[in-house]
Amino acid sequence: KAGVTQTPRYLIKTRGQQVTLSCSPISGHRSVSWYQQTPGQGLQFLFEYFSETQRNKGNFPGRFSGRQFSNSRSEMNVSTLELGDSALYLCASSLDSSNQPQHFGDGTRLSIL
Amino acid sequence: GNSVTQMEGPVTLSEEAFLTINCTYTATGYPSLFWYVQYPGEGLQLLLKATKADDKGSNKGFEATYRKETTSFHLEKGSVQVSDSAVYFCALSDRRQAGTALIFGKGTTLSVSS
Repeated sequence: KAGVTQTPRYLIKTRGQQVTLSCSPISGHRSVSWYQQTPGQGLQFLFEYFSETQRNKGNFPGRFSGRQFSNSRSEMNVSTLELGDSALYLCASSLDSSNQPQHFGDGTRLSIL
Repeated sequence: GNSVTQMEGPVTLSEEAFLTINCTYTATGYPSLFWYVQYPGEGLQLLLKATKADDKGSNKGFEATYRKETTSFHLEKGSVQVSDSAVYFCALSDRRQAGTALIFGKGTTLSVSS
């Protein structure tokens, strides 16, 4: 069974640009969550999508957005990039419910110059 | 709000030593608790979980018991190996809320030498 796939693995952008990251969940998983990992702040929850609807949102500015498609694949977008957006962005999928473990992809490493 | 506190690392051990990584949580409800492990250059892998008080999660020699009275979920292993070197994260998810958002601790780096 294929795991969670995130593309691309690495990205380099400059301040002010925007970026789109992609996540393909495990087949059959309908929940997709996104997390930001930085050395200073650790792992922080961005948002969660379930059946194409945003179900939960973390404490991030509106520059961070996402969406989910009918096949459960998800994208997240960051506009007007700032230096502080440099991070590892992790996607996780699960069947549903908070009792179910989330399965993580290997992440997209975003570097802002 | 909900939060997770882990012991600061790094933790440095010799092979076959006993491991404990402390984790305590603050939650107003009855969270599910998880331990995840992250190897260099990779995403997180679920190590074990517990969904209610007194549950013991176990996997690959690692164990953790959900202690409601002390709000703790300490990770233990009787004999560590070099291959256990990684970053370990304690996490909770609030079952009162719809959805699966995880709240993580800061992570504890484990380094095991032969």
